[in-house]
Amino acid sequence: DSGVTQTPKHLITATGQRVTLRCSPRSGDLSVYWYQQSLDQGLQFLIHYYNGEERAKGNILERFSAQQFPDLHSELNLSSLELGDSALYFCASSPRTGYRSNEQFFGPGTRLTVL
Amino acid sequence: GIQVEQSPPDLILQEGANSTLRCNFSDSVNNLQWFHQNPWGQLINLFYIPSGTKQNGRLSATTVATERYSLLYISSSQTTDSGVYFCAVELGDYKLSFGAGTTVTVRA
Repeated sequence: DSGVTQTPKHLITATGQRVTLRCSPRSGDLSVYWYQQSLDQGLQFLIHYYNGEERAKGNILERFSAQQFPDLHSELNLSSLELGDSALYFCASSPRTGYRSNEQFFGPGTRLTVL
Repeated sequence: GIQVEQSPPDLILQEGANSTLRCNFSDSVNNLQWFHQNPWGQLINLFYIPSGTKQNGRLSATTVATERYSLLYISSSQTTDSGVYFCAVELGDYKLSFGAGTTVTVRA
């Protein structure tokens, strides 16, 4: 168990809908990252938040948005869903300060199926 | 962006065999991590190894940063070692770039 929690584990929805994925980082970690794993694209970085502020964006679609709250949990919002958004979405966290500050630990993932 | 290449793409082992997985990367890195994705999809941290050699039980890893490669060794493989092994690197911007993975199947 990495200490990173994600809910829900599975999500099945229809095209055009909007969903919210939730992540709680390891205790004390200030950085949260979101990654998408799909069969055709592999594991790809989406976005990074540090202590409530967005720090970096990767290949994240405009239909997707995220935020990190004062208690450091994060949410990834996916809207106007398309079939191609079906994937495993991972959240990771890292300390961001101190020894091995950039080592990332991954949650169990949320498997999204868009029908 | 940085290129991360893993080889071989697939590996079939008999239980008890040893194996070496390779990760080549195209730029100097600030961080390199090895992960095991189990059949349930979970990504498990194996090593944080931007340079040097580390061992953890039957697994060990070596990163030669100056030559831009890392090796993961699996000794006395067990069926529970099956899954996909990923190498991921980070350039100092806290974004991990993953290789395509090596799928390992260990047969009893």
